[in-house]
Amino acid sequence: QKEVEQNSGPLSVPEGAIASLNCTYSDRVSQSFFWYRQYSGKSPELIMSIYSNGDKEDGRFTAQLNKASQYVSLLIRDSQPSDSATYLCAVNSQGGSEKLVFGKGTKLTVNP
Amino acid sequence: EPEVTQTPSHQVTQMGQEVILRCVPISNHLYFYWYRQILGQKVEFLVSFYNNEISEKSEIFDDQFSVERPDGSNFTLKIRSTKLEDSAMYFCASSVGGSGSAGEKLFFGSGTQLSVL
Repeated sequence: QKEVEQNSGPLSVPEGAIASLNCTYSDRVSQSFFWYRQYSGKSPELIMSIYSNGDKEDGRFTAQLNKASQYVSLLIRDSQPSDSATYLCAVNSQGGSEKLVFGKGTKLTVNP
Repeated sequence: EPEVTQTPSHQVTQMGQEVILRCVPISNHLYFYWYRQILGQKVEFLVSFYNNEISEKSEIFDDQFSVERPDGSNFTLKIRSTKLEDSAMYFCASSVGGSGSAGEKLFFGSGTQLSVL
């Protein structure tokens, strides 16, 4: 069974701080990795995608991938109250599978 | 920005009844998906659909579930005989290429909250 694990939180950070979200996955052949943001009662919204080892930056967001450790992280710099949401890690395996496997999500609260 | 549209936003049904959840994917997208999320749980893959046929399905997608693209715009999920445990938020999604391809972005609809009583 392919699993994606995240700390459920809640993670609470003050406004302006860096929020660090972590995710591990069990399927070693996984190739594509995604971070989604989900506000309560809403649908997932793609924040970042990453496919190669290392860092990928987009504005205040940085995704980090370490395939050897089967670990993906998301850093949010200068956190804002509007970043308060649940962040979902999702993984797709190679081999033509269309299936995204999601983690349960980490609930982030940014305090003003 | 184009969006995936789902109707209804809420559906209440009695156990054993049939329900049809409707979705209009983004017009130039070729891959369509259904996911569901039970309250407080993970988002779970149900099925993917490409070229008018199911390309992949999960163990959740048993004989009570079916999908159809009845015309050029709609994509439906039918649950034949609903059970209490089918209560969940059902998300439709679409993408240009398959979500297994690097660089593909999955667009989710706003969801249908299904409550089975």
